Amino acid sequence: GAVVSQHPSWVICKSGTSVKIECRSLDFQATTMFWYRQFPKQSLMLMATSNEGSKATYEQGVEKDKFLINHASLTLSTLTVTSAHPEDSSFYICSARDRFYGEQYFGPGTRLTVT
Amino acid sequence: GENVEQHPSTLSVQEGDSAVIKCTYSDSASNYFPWYKQELGKRPQLIIDIRSNVGEKKDQRIAVTLNKTAKHFSLHITETQPEDSAVYFCAWNSGYSTLTFGKGTMLLVSP
Repeated sequence: GAVVSQHPSWVICKSGTSVKIECRSLDFQATTMFWYRQFPKQSLMLMATSNEGSKATYEQGVEKDKFLINHASLTLSTLTVTSAHPEDSSFYICSARDRFYGEQYFGPGTRLTVT
Repeated sequence: GENVEQHPSTLSVQEGDSAVIKCTYSDSASNYFPWYKQELGKRPQLIIDIRSNVGEKKDQRIAVTLNKTAKHFSLHITETQPEDSAVYFCAWNSGYSTLTFGKGTMLLVSP
């Protein structure tokens, strides 16, 4: 089946620093990738849609200058949390949509803790 | 975005019983309805999906039904097992746009 990897799986950083999270589709091409945030016992909240070769589309309330997204190839998207604060601590999950069949597959998630 | 209502929020069943989770959507243009299973601390896993040109799809103990007129779709799990315990999310996709997720149903299967 389709595999999406995400790195790192967890990260602890100090307040004010930046963290980059990578999302890769390993065995399929994804023109579109998505970044979600999930708080404990809650659903997936879409942060932004990442399109290969173009600017990301951010959901209302998500600061594009704080959550930088780059989708440089059909298999890689990155999310950079800039100037992280403790309230940014969360579980970040990416997903990739198969460009031919449309199914969406999730990465394993990255647990970010900002101290 | 559009709303997806998912019910119930929690569901407790005995092993061997059936479980049904229902979602109602609002956009009549939606044409793709996947269901995901998420175990604690893990990624959501696509378990079954249905497209708008069919009314039912089955895969072993799991089935999904779609009623486009009423704008609702349901997940059916038969002969539940303890390993089915997880949070289940419905979602819908309009055209080729993003998925919107329901709030999730925590399914607990007691042995």
